[in-house]
Amino acid sequence: DTGVSQNPRHKITKRGQNVTFRCDPISEHNRLYWYRQTLGQGPEFLTYFQNEAQLEKSRLLSDRFSAERPKGSFSTLEIQRTEQGDSAMYLCASSFAGVNYGYTFGSGTRLTVV
Amino acid sequence: GQQVMQIPQYQHVQEGEDFTTYCNSSTTLSNIQWYKQRPGGHPVFLIQLVKSGEVKKQKRLTFQFGEAKKNSSLHITATQTTDVGTYFCAGPTGGYNKLIFGAGTRLAVHP
Repeated sequence: DTGVSQNPRHKITKRGQNVTFRCDPISEHNRLYWYRQTLGQGPEFLTYFQNEAQLEKSRLLSDRFSAERPKGSFSTLEIQRTEQGDSAMYLCASSFAGVNYGYTFGSGTRLTVV
Repeated sequence: GQQVMQIPQYQHVQEGEDFTTYCNSSTTLSNIQWYKQRPGGHPVFLIQLVKSGEVKKQKRLTFQFGEAKKNSSLHITATQTTDVGTYFCAGPTGGYNKLIFGAGTRLAVHP
């Protein structure tokens, strides 16, 4: 297992277009998290899954954002009708279930909306 | 909602000097985690503290968890250029291990 993998690494899109990112977590981990990070800030929670169930979605997340984790394996994060304010680094992380485990982050997908 | 605050936002030191960053939570935490993010990189898990008053060391890094489990600190002794990066603390919220991150302390080390 090579850790958490995210694709693509970079994405430039025009405002109004839809984009989809993929995350492949560590196979033994049943928790998967999506975070967003802007310059000079800490990661901001978006949503997370335990196996295939989406447990929580941030109130900050508009209806343009949706995430899935079919079969409890990889996950996708889709942003519809992108806006310039969506430009950020989108980080995926995975962990074992329970409150005493650290996250393993992927390298992230950097989204630029022009 | 729960907030995690870190100070300072930025610190630059001469190589060999010590460095400390502080983390404060608005609520009592079951545990606190520390992460390091190198420039251009992603956050990497360093350590977790669980017990009140706990102190853990990793080589030149010393982590403390406050008695009230609302604050924590990271101290680096004799900084090296390899210590450059942003250090984040994070605490769980809710019934699951959903972490709330602080804004981080960016450390610059001048040789």
